[in-house]
Amino acid sequence: SYELTQPLSVSVALGQTARITCGGSNIESKNVHWYQQKPGQAPVLVIYRDSDRPSGIPDRFSGSNSGNTATLIISGVQAGDEADYYCQVSRGVVFGGGTKLTVL
Amino acid sequence: EVQLVESGGGLIQPGGSLRLSCAASGFTVSNSYMSWIRQAPGKGLEWVSIIYSGGVTQYADSVRGRFTISRDKSNNTLYLQMNSLRAEDTAVYYCATDGSGYLSFDYWGQGVLVTVSS
Repeated sequence: SYELTQPLSVSVALGQTARITCGGSNIESKNVHWYQQKPGQAPVLVIYRDSDRPSGIPDRFSGSNSGNTATLIISGVQAGDEADYYCQVSRGVVFGGGTKLTVL
Repeated sequence: EVQLVESGGGLIQPGGSLRLSCAASGFTVSNSYMSWIRQAPGKGLEWVSIIYSGGVTQYADSVRGRFTISRDKSNNTLYLQMNSLRAEDTAVYYCATDGSGYLSFDYWGQGVLVTVSS
């Protein structure tokens, strides 16, 4: 079965840029989606189809997908961005293990 | 406005059965693909099952043969019948559906807790 690998944690200083990776075999051939989940809340879709933003998601959130790695990029990180982030691919629904983003 | 409201969770003994419901509004369940996704305490998201608009269903290996996903057009509701429950099925269960057309999960319910314990 297809596997997605994320780092357990990423730390970034307030106002800087966070990059969260999602590794998978030839992931560039798949649509990758990203979710933000805060404690006690349901996940929220922040990026779909590699780099598209749903309505209401700030343009500080962006994504890329190339080779074996997809990346969620959060520019100008704010304290409110501290959360768990999950990647997901569509064909054979699979989630990555999740990355805890800490804002310093 | 799309809304998903889960119900039916609770405490159940190992080997028991439970049926979760997900009442949908703002869209037609039978015209969409819908999924159940769970999250064990302190763990990540785990996809459980999906039903496509055409009725095709798929299951994670961990639940295949024990769980059944279904939907009712008359009350616009998604279901998950869970049999032979195990301690490792303990989790918050979310129903979710697409809005983008790319098999992402744009809309989620609030989640319902299932605890399997004696």
